[in-house]
Amino acid sequence: EVQLVESGGGLVQPGGSLRLSCAASGFIFSSYWMHWVRQAPGKGLVWVSSINSAGSSTSYVDSVKGRFTISRDNAKNTLYLQTNSLRTEDTAVYYCARAVGTIDYWGQGTLVTVSS
Amino acid sequence: DIQMTQSPSTLSASVGDRVTITCRASQSISSWLAWYQQKPGKAPKLLIYKASSLESGVPSRFSGSGSGTEFTLTISSLQPDDFATYYCQQYNSFSWTFGQGTKVEIK
Repeated sequence: EVQLVESGGGLVQPGGSLRLSCAASGFIFSSYWMHWVRQAPGKGLVWVSSINSAGSSTSYVDSVKGRFTISRDNAKNTLYLQTNSLRTEDTAVYYCARAVGTIDYWGQGTLVTVSS
Repeated sequence: DIQMTQSPSTLSASVGDRVTITCRASQSISSWLAWYQQKPGKAPKLLIYKASSLESGVPSRFSGSGSGTEFTLTISSLQPDDFATYYCQQYNSFSWTFGQGTKVEIK
């Protein structure tokens, strides 16, 4: 069974940092592109970042470029999102997701709240 | 970036109704479109990929059509479990973008 379990969310002050993690199991992690998608409270879905299976190619939505970094450790079956210089508008549930073409499995999400 | 526009934003319907949701892309995305269902407090669930391919395990009352810039999701006979929010998403090119969502409510 495919499982994606996010962790690392929490309350952080504006300007702060958090490292989100996503532990993957039930599939060959190193064979899949992985993504982060976020959803602000009561709002829609926003794609945040993607990384290819080898970890050699990454993409970001414009609003997080230069502040967020996606990475992966295929030996540990884990996806990461380093979030720096956080803003109040980054408050959201962050979902880790697997893609075959498009996203076919999602984690349960981890809540990041940016507030003073 | 490619903009995705869904209509309507909210839809009130009864069990057994045929329901259609439309998604328009700001430029051609060929058939690189997916539909997701999301219930409150839960992660989205893939229903349709490549515009019209039904994801394994998804009931056949769900269907998708379209190509280029115009797409539709149809639920042939709405069931109680189908009351949720539906999102379209283009994956023609990064950055991926989602529609704003269509909430299907009980009439």
